Amino acid sequence: AQKITQTQPGMFVQEKEAVTLDCTYDTSDPSYGLFWYKQPSSGEMIFLIYQGSYDQQNATEGRYSLNFQKARKSANLVISASQLGDSAMYFCAMREKTGNFNKFYFGSGTKLNVKP
Amino acid sequence: NAGVMQNPRHLVRRRGQEARLRCSPMKGHSHVYWYRQLPEEGLKFMVYLQKENIIDESGMPKERFSAEFPKEGPSILRIQQVVRGDSAAYFCASSQQGGPLHFGNGTRLTVT
Repeated sequence: AQKITQTQPGMFVQEKEAVTLDCTYDTSDPSYGLFWYKQPSSGEMIFLIYQGSYDQQNATEGRYSLNFQKARKSANLVISASQLGDSAMYFCAMREKTGNFNKFYFGSGTKLNVKP
Repeated sequence: NAGVMQNPRHLVRRRGQEARLRCSPMKGHSHVYWYRQLPEEGLKFMVYLQKENIIDESGMPKERFSAEFPKEGPSILRIQQVVRGDSAAYFCASSQQGGPLHFGNGTRLTVT
């Protein structure tokens, strides 16, 4: 099974509206971490938000929040009040432990287009 | 700024030449990961290193590619006898144990 699945290759959202980017994961490690990254057209990878598997509350960072549904193994990213600068690729990632070390898995990404 | 530093930012090589990509992790980070990204695609894991040790190289092609992270100095991803199919963006990321990955700006390799 895929470790990280992002089922939306592309999304459109109207400026100032909220948008949800989907991410599901698969792991048997009880102590895992979930991350979202943004990659604008300039190419750099920007860390946005982190959720630990034991965290009781959903993570939030400014306009970003992570809708963590542990039983469903989903970690959707919610961007509120979209801005034109939010247009980018978004990658969901998971960290799980392999022996004494951590391995990171990335989804295939969602391309978000914010319309004026 | 103590971010992940990659150089060069752009690298052009002719077929058959060698490419050397460098990565200095964030201060205090001892784990380095290398990823490859083709245009319009996601990140493909290549190798994971700690100082002087290769922890996981399951994503590295068996031939022509090698990586190191010496006790002193940056991590190096080396591609020998480059071919056109090696053209891609190569990202380095570092982390502390258990923390998120912090990425460099990438090296865009073009093989002519």
